[in-house]
Amino acid sequence: DAGVIQSPRHEVTEMGQEVTLRCKPISGHNSLFWYRQTMMRGLELLIYFNNNVPIDDSGMPEDRFSAKMPNASFSTLKIQPSEPRDSAVYFCASSEQNRGPYEQYFGPGTRLTVT
Amino acid sequence: QKEVEQNSGPLSVPEGAIASLNCTYSDRGSQSFFWYRQYSGKSPELIMSIYSNGDKEDGRFTAQLNKASQYVSLLIRDSQPSDSATYLCAVNSGYSTLTFGKGTMLLVSP
Repeated sequence: DAGVIQSPRHEVTEMGQEVTLRCKPISGHNSLFWYRQTMMRGLELLIYFNNNVPIDDSGMPEDRFSAKMPNASFSTLKIQPSEPRDSAVYFCASSEQNRGPYEQYFGPGTRLTVT
Repeated sequence: QKEVEQNSGPLSVPEGAIASLNCTYSDRGSQSFFWYRQYSGKSPELIMSIYSNGDKEDGRFTAQLNKASQYVSLLIRDSQPSDSATYLCAVNSGYSTLTFGKGTMLLVSP
């Protein structure tokens, strides 16, 4: 089975530009999580969806960040406008929540650099 | 604020030795506990999960849980250079989300 798929793997953009990160969860998983990882702050949960519905977005740092999950097999995380402090690795993870115990499986990540 | 604490390391062990990685958590209601391994430049990979007090063994890995002390550990027997990575402890507290520690870097020298 394919794991979690993310694209692009690397993104370099200039400050002020819009950035869109994409994620395809593992087939059959009904929860999806967006994380950001930096050396200083570690792995931070930004938002998570259950059955395509956003459940908790309290980790989204600012209104510049938004996330959508239009269907069970696709999600996007958008940053508009981007800033240098948004530079980080962004991970998407999915899990099968109906059964517990909430094991999450991570995609390869998108390394974002904002200059 | 739910917290998961780990020593950042690096923890250096010689090849063949036992590596012991430790984690404490603040939420006494936590129910499920996970260890992830993350190689440099890669994503976290789930290697162990434990849900009840005691030990759980899987190959060279043993996870230990003590809910009374709010403590979970990972032992790696016969450590190999390929085990060199950052190990993340993650805790679930009854909801869908996990709280991650910042990880312990393990270095296994040949």
